[in-house]
Order: sequence, then structure tokens, then C-alpha cells
Amino acid sequence: EPEVTQTPSHQVTQMGQEVILRCVPISNHLYFYWYRQILGQKVEFLVSFYNNEISEKSEIFDDQFSVERPDGSNFTLKIRSTKLEDSAMYFCAIPQLAGGSNEQFFGPGTRLTVL
Amino acid sequence: GQQVMQIPQYQHVQEGEDFTTYCNSSTTLSNIQWYKQRPGGHPVFLIQLVKSGEVKKQKRLTFQFGEAKKNSSLHITATQTTDVGTYFCAGERDNYGQNFVFGPGTRLSVLP
Repeated sequence: EPEVTQTPSHQVTQMGQEVILRCVPISNHLYFYWYRQILGQKVEFLVSFYNNEISEKSEIFDDQFSVERPDGSNFTLKIRSTKLEDSAMYFCAIPQLAGGSNEQFFGPGTRLTVL
Repeated sequence: GQQVMQIPQYQHVQEGEDFTTYCNSSTTLSNIQWYKQRPGGHPVFLIQLVKSGEVKKQKRLTFQFGEAKKNSSLHITATQTTDVGTYFCAGERDNYGQNFVFGPGTRLSVLP
């Protein structure tokens, strides 16, 4: 099972500020996802990223969002100008083929609080 | 766009009772996955169903994929307090690549 860490675990920011959330898979992965989960609600797909390019993105993933793989291992999700409604848990997930299943391993998440 | 619905939204059961959550997609799915999320935790993969009418079992958990590949169910026999959490289904659309749409989840409470 691939191990995924995310930093920071909790980020508090002022509205309008930029935040960068990081995802670090222990082993080398080319494919990853970002999801958002507003407190008490469902997990929402944001973007999938494969081999340094966006593979697919949802309507939520507007111009305020961007993803990068800055150093070949970390994956980042940047929100340029945060809004109150961006407050949520942000999970990255790494897909892995195991026993015929395309399961996704979620990181522990970053809780973003926008004040 | 594709919608995935789940019922019920909440379920409270006494320990030992059975529990079922149902998942319905507005479009045909290539496969469906089930995840469990404990309070304060992250989603943890449980199972993937691919074939029409497929049934899989994991100890007390039984997963079923509908014949039309638009609905699925998760049944837990004789619930335990460790089963507490939110159960999400996630459907992958036909021929659209790896983009999973999660249902809203069913939050299960088990009273000892």
C-alpha cells in the first residue's frame, strides 16, 4: 500500500491570501488526484494529474486553482486568492492497481480554514 | 453531468443489527468503488466492483453491483461499533478516464 503524506495538516489563512498544499507520495507516482471535502459533505473531485499535466478537472477547479509537480516528487495544489467557501479538507489520492482493482489511497488531508 | 446518489443519508442501528446503504448513478458506470471514512479520518478503499451483477464479500460486508451497472449496495451483517463511519460509493464514468464521482455518503452510527 503506497503511503501518502500531506502538509500542512491544518492551514489557517485570511481571505484573499494564497495557499499551497503539498502531497508527498513515498514512492514515485506519475498519477494523482486532488479532492475537496467541505465539512460534513461528500468528497468532490478537483483534478487529476498525470505525468506533469492535468488529465481531467472538475467545474470546481477554476482559475483560482493550479497544480504542479515542482521537484519531481511533491505534488502541490495552489489556491491563488482564497475565499471563505474554500474552507474544507483537501485530500490527495494516489491510484494503484492492486489485484485488479484501481483503488485510490488517500492522504490524511489538509484542513484549510479561510477567515 | 453525472450524479451519484446514496440513501439513506443517516442510519442509526443497535449493535448486532444489519445495515444497508444504496448507491444510484444517473449514468452507466464502468466500475464502482466503496470507501469508508471514520470521523476525522480520510476515505479508505474497501472494494471495487466492475462486472454487471457482481457480488463480493468481505467478512460481514457484502457489496453488489446492479445488472445495469447504475446502482450498487453495501450490506453489513451484525454491525459492530467499529463499523461506525461514513460509507461512500464512487462511480467511474464509462469511457471517461479516471474521474470518480462520489456519492454524498451514508453516515452509520452503531449504538452499543
